[in-house]
Amino acid sequence: EIVLTQFPGTLSLSPGERATLSCTASQGVTTNSLVWYQQKPGQAPRLLIYGTSRRATGVADRFSGSGSGTDFTLTINRLEPEDFAVYYCQHYGSSPPITFGQGTRLEIK
Amino acid sequence: EVQLVESGGGLVKPGGSLRLSCTASGFDFRNSYVDWVRQASGKGLEWVARIKHHYFGEARDYAAPVKGRFIVSRDDSKNTLYLQLNSLKTEDTGIYYCVKDYFERFDVWGHGTTVTVS
Repeated sequence: EIVLTQFPGTLSLSPGERATLSCTASQGVTTNSLVWYQQKPGQAPRLLIYGTSRRATGVADRFSGSGSGTDFTLTINRLEPEDFAVYYCQHYGSSPPITFGQGTRLEIK
Repeated sequence: EVQLVESGGGLVKPGGSLRLSCTASGFDFRNSYVDWVRQASGKGLEWVARIKHHYFGEARDYAAPVKGRFIVSRDDSKNTLYLQLNSLKTEDTGIYYCVKDYFERFDVWGHGTTVTVS
């Protein structure tokens, strides 16, 4: 089973700043299998990035993903008030289980 | 509009059973993989189960904590996904989301249904 570790646990930034969220896998994963979701309080998660770097439909271009092997990053440029939420990375491999990181809370400073 | 609507959550005693349903609309359910993901209050996301479509014989996969207790099934004639929860434990408490599983990502999520085991 692939274990995903996200850091930091909480990130405090101001609107307009850049956020860098990290996700480290316990072993190398294919870039196709790394996904990012956003979850706001009281809402279901929303697909943001799939295949490491591909934005989902309707996702603003200030969101970008990168990485390979065991280290992956979600970057959010020019933070907007609506971007403050919890972000999860996910590994969807060729065989189960499908695993999630524990999440990074992005909060307003 | 692509939509997933869960129902069937509620309060149940430890050791009890519950059946969750998820009705899909706006996409080709019959040819889609669908999954269940849960979230304990204030905690992270946990994948629970997946059922593939008919082309793959409706093959099922489960997370280790629920294997042998939960059963995922589907009725394509009703565009509905089910999750039978048996031998429930307090640690099964949480919101259960139905998700559309599309090429290694969960691209549509339901609003969730709450299960409380107490």
